[in-house]
Amino acid sequence: AQSVSQHNHHVILSEAASLELGCNYSYGGTVNLFWYVQYPGQHLQLLLKYFSGDPLVKGIKGFEAEFIKSKFSFNLRKPSVQWSDTAEYFCAVNAARGATNKLIFGTGTLLAVQP
Amino acid sequence: ETGVTQSPTHLIKTRGQQVTLRCSSQSGHNTVSWYQQALGQGPQFIFQYYREEENGRGNFPPRFSGLQFPNYSSELNVNALELDDSALYLCASSRTEGADTQYFGPGTRLTVL
Repeated sequence: AQSVSQHNHHVILSEAASLELGCNYSYGGTVNLFWYVQYPGQHLQLLLKYFSGDPLVKGIKGFEAEFIKSKFSFNLRKPSVQWSDTAEYFCAVNAARGATNKLIFGTGTLLAVQP
Repeated sequence: ETGVTQSPTHLIKTRGQQVTLRCSSQSGHNTVSWYQQALGQGPQFIFQYYREEENGRGNFPPRFSGLQFPNYSSELNVNALELDDSALYLCASSRTEGADTQYFGPGTRLTVL
């Protein structure tokens, strides 16, 4: 079955700490990968995406993610978090050549950054 | 460029009632997808509309139905509401029906009593 696993449900960090959020997927085919972020009181926003090419992708606000095909992983990283990064982060996948643009999401990781 | 908009923001219904949620897609987008996000969960795909036809459906019963209009806006209808239908309903639009980036609206919070 197609699925996305996010290993950390809650993460608490101090400002300037480094961040890595894990994401693994199970999918029988070529995929596109996404990280979305939901800041408090706001809607889901695209943080970054991987379709093809360089497996290290850079997104907004200093975030990056690395696609490791052999590990079915797409972990999100940021070298130094800020209080404003407090949000819920969702990893998602869709079929790269699907006829339907169906996103499968993980359960999310709630990040709290303490000033 | 106008983003994805949804209405209403909040809605309270009682069990057995019917509800209609509305979504306007982002400018230049012809495909709309609907998701249900229960508390503490990631969004779950309900269905997608492209060229005014349902183009893919998730694991939701037939009492969840939809429409897409010529201007690409869309409606989600839920009949015979159940308590478990209480959730945030998200609409997302994309440029095409295939693999593409989806952009989400703010959602409609539905509470079923």
